[in-house]
Amino acid sequence: DLQMTQSPSSLSASVGDGVTITCRASQTLSSYLNWYQQKPGKPPKLLIYGASSLQEGVPSRFSGFGSGAVYTLTISSLLPEDFATYYCQQSFSTPWTFGQGTRVDI
Amino acid sequence: QVQLQESGPGLVKPSQTLSLTCSVSGDSISGGPYYWSWIRQPAGKGLEWIGRIHTTGTTAYNPSLASRVVISLDTSKNEFSLTLTSVTAADTAIYYCAGRNWFLDDWGRGTLVSVSS
Repeated sequence: DLQMTQSPSSLSASVGDGVTITCRASQTLSSYLNWYQQKPGKPPKLLIYGASSLQEGVPSRFSGFGSGAVYTLTISSLLPEDFATYYCQQSFSTPWTFGQGTRVDI
Repeated sequence: QVQLQESGPGLVKPSQTLSLTCSVSGDSISGGPYYWSWIRQPAGKGLEWIGRIHTTGTTAYNPSLASRVVISLDTSKNEFSLTLTSVTAADTAIYYCAGRNWFLDDWGRGTLVSVSS
């Protein structure tokens, strides 16, 4: 299986801060990398697909970048509603796999 | 707006079979090509992809569950289903259905399934 490793596992930040989460795959993904946001008691919500394409309705403060086996999610200026857990997920090969998650706390 | 809704028993006895259905509204389940997936999440833990079915009926499963899992489509009802046999306490989780593309753009709210006698 293709392994996905996110870093950091958690981070503390303040409203207005910029944060970056990194996802490393055990092999190249050819940009078949997606990012999700999950809040407690809710399903995950797609933010970014294909490494850098912003899902419709997602604010532009979210951005994705990367290629090969290394990808990043950046939130340019945190708002209170952005405190959540973020997951990367690869769709390059089955089984599709998720990173372990990054919790963004105040 | 596509909506997905999981349904099924919230409690299953050990060694029995877990069966869940995902009803899709707002689009035809065969209007794709689409991928329809099941994902689960134990309490306080991360996400595990269980498997998917393509509009054509082709399936792919997580090898860790493949011997116990079947995902099927019912185009007449616009829904797809998950069957997981020989369940144990380790299968206790919130189960989500999701679709439609190779990125999971639509999700159900999730349903908690507990395995206990």
